[in-house]
Amino acid sequence: AQKITQTQPGMFVQEKEAVTLDCTYDTSDPSYGLFWYKQPSSGEMIFLIYQGSYDQQNATEGRYSLNFQKARKSANLVISASQLGDSAMYFCAMRGGDYKLSFGAGTTVTVRA
Amino acid sequence: DGGITQSPKYLFRKEGQNVTLSCEQNLNHDAMYWYRQDPGQGLRLIYYSQIVNDFQKGDIAEGYSVSREKKESFPLTVTSAQKNPTAFYLCASSLVPDMNTEAFFGQGTRLTVV
Repeated sequence: AQKITQTQPGMFVQEKEAVTLDCTYDTSDPSYGLFWYKQPSSGEMIFLIYQGSYDQQNATEGRYSLNFQKARKSANLVISASQLGDSAMYFCAMRGGDYKLSFGAGTTVTVRA
Repeated sequence: DGGITQSPKYLFRKEGQNVTLSCEQNLNHDAMYWYRQDPGQGLRLIYYSQIVNDFQKGDIAEGYSVSREKKESFPLTVTSAQKNPTAFYLCASSLVPDMNTEAFFGQGTRLTVV
């Protein structure tokens, strides 16, 4: 069984500052993929970044970076230089060997001007 | 344009009635997924399918049924056995066997029991 845990229900961040969203996971699969998605109030799901379990380097996509610590089973998302448009709900997800794609409970980020 | 289409966007159902939510994709993806999202909550997996004519239960399959007769279609039926069906339903698809490709999502269907 796979499980994704996001322990921060909500976070506030000042515009232009960085914010780290926590994600821990549990799986027995030797190969898996980790994803982060953004969900604005409109409800659409926007893919942000991916990290493979065998990737040696942390993934980066523009202002998003993933701090992957395999031994700790954590995959934290860092958003740098926060913008007002970053206010949304953020989900961590994992896909295992059977292609089951599971999501965490999410973290609501509010960016203050 | 390639993508995933969910219909309808809003759906109202009377208690005791079955209702089917549509999900169609033209991305040539093998895997498809159905999720339920309650207000302010995360996405919970209902069913998923890796290939035509095969599907697996997710974490909250009770009261739901699916079929996968065509690669591009994965309809979800909310049955009268689902005690609290009011929620936002999201459909997604992804490539198989590429583990590193993201899932693409539809715009969702908001189901309300009246």
